[in-house]
Amino acid sequence: QVQLQESGPGLVKPSQTLSLTCTVSGGSISSGDYYWSWLRQRPGKGLEWIGFIYYTGRTHYNPSLESRVTMSVDTSKNEFSMRLNSVTAADTAVYYCARGEAMDVWGQGTTVIVSS
Amino acid sequence: DIQMTQSPSTLSAFVGDRVTITCRASQSISSWLAWYQQKPGKAPKLLIYAASNLEGGVPSRFSGSGSGTEFTLTISSLQPDDFATYYCQQYNSESYTFGQGTKLEIK
Repeated sequence: QVQLQESGPGLVKPSQTLSLTCTVSGGSISSGDYYWSWLRQRPGKGLEWIGFIYYTGRTHYNPSLESRVTMSVDTSKNEFSMRLNSVTAADTAVYYCARGEAMDVWGQGTTVIVSS
Repeated sequence: DIQMTQSPSTLSAFVGDRVTITCRASQSISSWLAWYQQKPGKAPKLLIYAASNLEGGVPSRFSGSGSGTEFTLTISSLQPDDFATYYCQQYNSESYTFGQGTKLEIK
C-alpha cells in the first residue's frame, strides 16, 4: 500500500527557510490520480492545510501562507517538497504530507521547531 | 476562504452512547466533505469522504450525512477506541479548510 514519509531538519532558526520532503512509496506520484498536500498542526491546535501540488507541478496554496511557501515535485524520485521562508516561532508545528482531496494516506508527521 | 465550524468543541459521552458532531460550512460545498479522527501523537485518519461514504476499513458504527452547508458525523455506539478528536474538512474549493475540531472525551 502507499506510504508517505516526511523528512527534513527538526530545528530551523528564525528568518530562515524550512525545507521538507515527502517520499512516496508503494505508488507513483505520476499516476495523476491525486493531489499531494502539505499540512501542519501547531502545538495543541487544529489542522491547517498549507497547499497541494499535482505531478505536473501545478500548485495551489493556502492564501494565508502563499507569500512564503513554494512546493515542488520530483517524479523521478517519487517525492514532493515544500519550502517555507522567513519562518518565525509561529511556524513551529508538526508537518504532515498527505494524498488526495479527501486525504486517505498521511505521513507520520515531522516536528519542526523554530528557535535560535 | 470557506469557513468550517464544528460543534460542539468538546463532547463527553459514555461507552455505548450515540453521538453526533455537526459541521457547518460558510457557503455551499455540495457533498465535498471529509471527516477525520485523530489520536494524540498520530496523524489523522480518514473516516468519511464525500459526506457520507465510509472509507475502507472504518467500522460501520461511523456514518456521515448532509449536503450544502450542514453535515453530521454520527457514531452509533461509542467504543473505547473512539475517544479522540474529530475534524471535518471541505474540498469543494481548492483552498481546503478544516473545522476547529471536536474532542470526544469519556464521561
